[in-house]
Amino acid sequence: GESVGLHLPTLSVQEGDNSIINCAYSNSASDYFIWYKQESGKGPQFIIDIRSNMDKRQGQRVTVLLNKTVKHLSLQIAATQPGDSAVYFCAEKNYGQNFVFGPGTRLSVLP
Amino acid sequence: ETGVTQSPTHLIKTRGQQVTLRCSSQSGHNTVSWYQQALGQGPQFIFQYYREEENGRGNFPPRFSGLQFPNYSSELNVNALELDDSALYLCASSLGRETNYGYTFGSGTRLTVV
Repeated sequence: GESVGLHLPTLSVQEGDNSIINCAYSNSASDYFIWYKQESGKGPQFIIDIRSNMDKRQGQRVTVLLNKTVKHLSLQIAATQPGDSAVYFCAEKNYGQNFVFGPGTRLSVLP
Repeated sequence: ETGVTQSPTHLIKTRGQQVTLRCSSQSGHNTVSWYQQALGQGPQFIFQYYREEENGRGNFPPRFSGLQFPNYSSELNVNALELDDSALYLCASSLGRETNYGYTFGSGTRLTVV
């Protein structure tokens, strides 16, 4: 079946630096994408979403970029803080289907 | 407004036993999805319930079954537990099957099968 994957399983960044987490998806029919953050012992928490008719969306300190040509999604976190340390998942969906999650990237913020 | 609550938080069962996990959806949400998350992996879709009926199922055997009640709370039942069923089971609620805003997840039930 279709799946969503991530290029890097772990990412370490210095506090205050920007973070970029990447995701490759395989289903060209997917039309909705979400980035989730999962802290230890908690369920995934919605961060930001983007639809396939957009290529960029910004939130507070976060930006999601969508490149449909190469089926690539990225999450940019500006001025990374210790509280950003978590596992980040991208999830894709197309109409009538359910969300498919990637394996996740663990982000560690170094002091 | 309350979020998604799951019970119990942790559970230990013996291989071959049966287990029931419970989920209360977020206020106003009528759709519940269940996911299995093995250690170090992303959540895998089990099934979804919409207005008390199953609405989509992932690649899980029939011994995984569920229910949704009139108040939109839900149960996940797993029969004949296997060691590989050890995982975090996540419940997520949404308003409608084709949500525009993603799912709200609970904190999960950590199931250990020994």
